[in-house]
Amino acid sequence: NAGVTQTPKFRILKIGQSMTLQCTQDMNHNYMYWYRQDPGMGLKLIYYSVGAGITDKGEVPNGYNVSRSTTEDFPLRLELAAPSQTSVYFCASKEQGEQYFGPGTRLTVT
Amino acid sequence: GQQLNQSPQSMFIQEGEDVSMNCTSSSIFNTWLWYKQEPGEGPVLLIALYKAGELTSNGRLTAQFGITRKDSFLNISASIPSDVGIYFCAGRMTGTASKLTFGTGTRLQVTL
Repeated sequence: NAGVTQTPKFRILKIGQSMTLQCTQDMNHNYMYWYRQDPGMGLKLIYYSVGAGITDKGEVPNGYNVSRSTTEDFPLRLELAAPSQTSVYFCASKEQGEQYFGPGTRLTVT
Repeated sequence: GQQLNQSPQSMFIQEGEDVSMNCTSSSIFNTWLWYKQEPGEGPVLLIALYKAGELTSNGRLTAQFGITRKDSFLNISASIPSDVGIYFCAGRMTGTASKLTFGTGTRLQVTL
C-alpha cells in the first residue's frame, strides 16, 4: 500500500492563478480530510468528506473547493490564489482507526 | 476556530533527559491523540487515548487522558536524537465525522 499520496510536493503560484492539489489513498478509506498548516501553528481543517459524493466545510473553507467522485481521490481546488493561501497542505484519510496523513504539499503564492 | 493550547512551545534538552508536555482545551473531548511531525513530512500517530484517566504507553512514550477531559499529557523518557520533531496533540468529539482539533505544537530539540 502506498497509503496517502499527495502531488505536487512543492508549487509556486502567482496571485490570481488557480490550481488543484491532488490527494489519493489506496486503503479504501471513506473519510478524507484537507488541512492547512501555517508556520508555527497546528493544522486547521479546510474540508472533509465522509464518503464518495459527500463533502462538507471545515474551519477554514474560504477560497477552496473540493470534490469526491471516487473513494480514492479527494482533490482540493484553489480558484484565485491569494498570498494568504501560502501554507503547507496535508491530506488525511481514516476508516476504523485514526487519521493517516500524506506527506504534504508546500504552496507559495507570490 | 478553536486550537488547543500546548506547552511548552519549544524545548531544548540533552540526550537522556525526560520530557513532559501538555495540552489544554476549553472544550471537552472524547478522544485525545498525540502526533509527531518531522521536517517535510506529515504527522504520524504516536498514541491514542479513548477514556478519561487512561494512561497509555508506546515504548518510551507515555500519555494520559485528563480526568476533566479538557487536557492531556505526553512524557518521553530517556530522550534520544531521533525524538527531534514537533509534537501535536489533537482532540475529537464523538459524532463529528472524526474531525480533529489540533494543538499549536511543541518543538523538541535534543542535543548530544
